[in-house]
Amino acid sequence: DAKTTQPNSMESNEEEPVHLPCNHSTISGTDYIHWYRQLPSQGPEYVIHGLTSNVNNRMASLAIAEDRKSSTLILHRATLRDAAVYYCILSEDNYGQNFVFGPGTRLSVLP
Amino acid sequence: DAEITQSPRHKITETGRQVTLACHQTWNHNNMFWYRQDLGHGLRLIHYSYGVHDTNKGEVSDGYSVSRSNTEDLPLTLESAASSQTSVYFCAKATGTEAFFGQGTRLTVV
Repeated sequence: DAKTTQPNSMESNEEEPVHLPCNHSTISGTDYIHWYRQLPSQGPEYVIHGLTSNVNNRMASLAIAEDRKSSTLILHRATLRDAAVYYCILSEDNYGQNFVFGPGTRLSVLP
Repeated sequence: DAEITQSPRHKITETGRQVTLACHQTWNHNNMFWYRQDLGHGLRLIHYSYGVHDTNKGEVSDGYSVSRSNTEDLPLTLESAASSQTSVYFCAKATGTEAFFGQGTRLTVV
C-alpha cells in the first residue's frame, strides 16, 4: 500500500482557515485520497475524498496537486469542534476501503 | 439510527476467556471491517468482509476470528483473550463513497 506522510500536530486559531498537508509521493494512478477525522473518544468519521480533481463539501475542501503526490485538506473556518486527529489515507479503490491508517495530524484549535 | 452499533461499549475479561464483540449495521451494506486502536499505533485492520460468508484477514488477525452469517452483523471473537489484546475496537462499514465507524468497544484483558 502506498504510504502517506502528515505532520504530527498543528495548531489553529478559531474561525481561521486551516490547511492540513499530506504527502503521498508513491501514489498509484488508481489510488483514491481519503480524509477522515477522529474526535476524542469517538470512532473516525468521513471528511472528504477525491481522485484527481479538487473537491468541496459542506465540511471541507480537498486540494490535490497536479502530479497527485500531495494533497491538502482545507477547513475554511476552524471551530473548537474541529479539534481532532485527521487521517490522510490512500485506497486502491473507492469500494473496499480496507484502509491503512497512519498516526495522522492532531489539530488543536485555540479560542 | 446510528449506521453502526457496537456492543458492549466497555468490557473487562480474564486472560484465556473467549470474548465476542458485536457489530450491527443498518442498510445492509456488504463491506464491513474490524480495527483495533492502541496508543501510538493508530488504527490497525483485524478482519474484513465483503459479503455474507466472506471473511478476510487484515494486518493483525492472529488471535481473532469473524463470521458473516447475514449482512447486518460481523461479530469479532477473541478465541483466548490475552493482555496484548487490551485495546479499543472499532467496527466499520463502507458504502462505496465513505466508511461509517461505530463508537468503539474498550476491552480490558486482566
